[in-house]
Amino acid sequence: AVQMTQSPSSLSASVGDRVTITCRASQDIGDDLGWYQHQPGKPPNLLIYAASSLQTGVPSRFSGSGSGTDFTLTISGLQPEDFATYYCLQHNTYPWAFGRGTRVSI
Amino acid sequence: QVQLEQSGAEVRKPGSSVKLSCKISGDTSIRPAINWVRQAPGQGLQWMGAIIPLLKTFRYAPEFQDRVTISADEATHTTYMEMIRLRSDDTAIYYCARDLGARSPPDVWGQGTLVTVSS
Repeated sequence: AVQMTQSPSSLSASVGDRVTITCRASQDIGDDLGWYQHQPGKPPNLLIYAASSLQTGVPSRFSGSGSGTDFTLTISGLQPEDFATYYCLQHNTYPWAFGRGTRVSI
Repeated sequence: QVQLEQSGAEVRKPGSSVKLSCKISGDTSIRPAINWVRQAPGQGLQWMGAIIPLLKTFRYAPEFQDRVTISADEATHTTYMEMIRLRSDDTAIYYCARDLGARSPPDVWGQGTLVTVSS
């Protein structure tokens, strides 16, 4: 099974900061990688699909990059509503797998 | 616009079973795959399994293979996830989420169902 290693597990940032989160896959997954934002009491929200494509309705301050085994989510200009937990998901090979999550806090 | 509506909260005793539902509303002309994902208290998201109607197949994470069954009623556009031999660490919020195949990640999610397993 493909394992996803996500880092950091948590980070502290301020409004306006640039934040970078990384995921590494244990084997080549092409660009079959999605990024989600998860806030308490709500279902996860898809931000990025195909590693670098912005989901409709998602602010352009979110961006994704990478392919193969190494992927990055960047938030350029952190906003108050962005404080949440972020997960990567590989959907290349079953069983699909999430990273362990990155909690972004103030 | 497609929506996924999940059944209400459940309380079960250890060793019992639970069956959750996820009903598709809106555009039902597409037969998407439905994934089940859970989040235990203080833990991350965990992919459990999926039903893929177009391929008439199922996929399960190994850790759920022997306790989880996913099924679907096409007439009512409803997918079910049954878990047996419940344990206290199965206490979690369970989500259903659709994906449109073609190597697409889940993009529409249900609101989640809280399952509490306690004696």
